[in-house]
Amino acid sequence: GAGVSQSPRYKVAKRGRDVALRCDSISGHVTLYWYRQTLGQGSEVLTYSQSDAQRDKSGRPSGRFSAERPERSVSTLKIQRTEQGDSAVYLCASSSLAGSSYEQYFGPGTRLTVT
Amino acid sequence: GQNIDQPTEMTATEGAIVQINCTYQTSGFNGLFWYQQHAGEAPTFLSYNVLDGLEEKGRFSSFLSRSKGYSYLLLKELQMKDSASYLCASRNDYKLSFGAGTTVTVRA
Repeated sequence: GAGVSQSPRYKVAKRGRDVALRCDSISGHVTLYWYRQTLGQGSEVLTYSQSDAQRDKSGRPSGRFSAERPERSVSTLKIQRTEQGDSAVYLCASSSLAGSSYEQYFGPGTRLTVT
Repeated sequence: GQNIDQPTEMTATEGAIVQINCTYQTSGFNGLFWYQQHAGEAPTFLSYNVLDGLEEKGRFSSFLSRSKGYSYLLLKELQMKDSASYLCASRNDYKLSFGAGTTVTVRA
């Protein structure tokens, strides 16, 4: 079946503009994660969201980053007022277990360049 | 955070064995992952250790020592396609914290 996909794969934004990055996860997966991968510095989790029949819990990263989950298998990471330091690869991942990060499945990432 | 340390680069010959070491902070630790990532592609899951000891899976094995905050990934019978970045990641609650990755280059 289809894996995790992300769009766009590459994005160039002028400093100060807002950007939105999309993630389509694996159908049936419960938890979605967003990571920022910086060359030579590893990756850090930005936010995660967990949905079940009753509620959706979304991580709320402070400041300019926010994540929305308009559909169960779709997540959008929004970055407001981009800065040059935001240039990185943004990885989306999903897992089938609620509240667990055992075997997360990753998308290919969106490479964001802020000029 | 969970400081993850792993070597930046390693080079080995086709058919050889390479061991990639990883150290991490132990507070809140709840599992150690290894991922393989080819340039421009998604990280793919290789192994998961939560108990001390060695987990073997084909040509790849992973070892964990929780008391020492130490893990290694062992790649045997190296093939050219094994040239990639190998990411060590520790789990704390729901979050994975990744190291910067070790770029392994396999030479003929």
